[in-house]
Amino acid sequence: AQSVTQLGSHVSVSEGALVLLRCNYSSSVPPYLFWYVQYPNQGLQLLLKYTSAATLVKGINGFEAEFKKSETSFHLTKPSAHMSDAAEYFCAVSPFSGNTGKLIFGQGTTLQVKP
Amino acid sequence: GAVVSQHPSRVICKSGTSVKIECRSLDFQATTMFWYRQFPKQSLMLMATSNEGSKATYEQGVEKDKFLINHASLTLSTLTVTSAHPEDSSFYICSASVPGLARAGELFFGEGSRLTVL
Repeated sequence: AQSVTQLGSHVSVSEGALVLLRCNYSSSVPPYLFWYVQYPNQGLQLLLKYTSAATLVKGINGFEAEFKKSETSFHLTKPSAHMSDAAEYFCAVSPFSGNTGKLIFGQGTTLQVKP
Repeated sequence: GAVVSQHPSRVICKSGTSVKIECRSLDFQATTMFWYRQFPKQSLMLMATSNEGSKATYEQGVEKDKFLINHASLTLSTLTVTSAHPEDSSFYICSASVPGLARAGELFFGEGSRLTVL
């Protein structure tokens, strides 16, 4: 079984500051891991994904995440926050073997960016 | 590529009526689509997996007679909330996966449909 835990339901940073959103996963098989962003009243947009290739994954909008198997983590970072980054962020896991598209989502983290 | 469109984006209905939400894959064929439900300030909960040409697979605790899913073509899945009640008010989001290893495991989401039952 797979599960995802996002540490911190709400993160607040100043514009230009480092963004760090934490995600830990549990999986009995090598996982696929994803970060999605959701703006108010919209669906989810993929930021990046890890699929057992490079452990450091670069995504859109300057975001990146590093897969650390020893820590079972997949934290999302961005060097410099923009106001437009304010949104809800979801970490998700999918079993490696299943190209089923069935994802298990974390609880979500609301990112607030202060001017 | 890989665009999923959902309609309507917002719907308000009276208690006891039924509401249909459509989910379309615009530029690819989706043999499998997924329906999620999202409560305010909460995560997405998978309701069911919609399979083209066969019955949907519902997650535990989801009433299949309440939430009817039809996937009659490779580009369209519909979710019908039957005899809706105020507790069914929620944000419903559909998603689809793209066949092939390049997008393995990746989901593409519709814009979501906000249902309000009065």
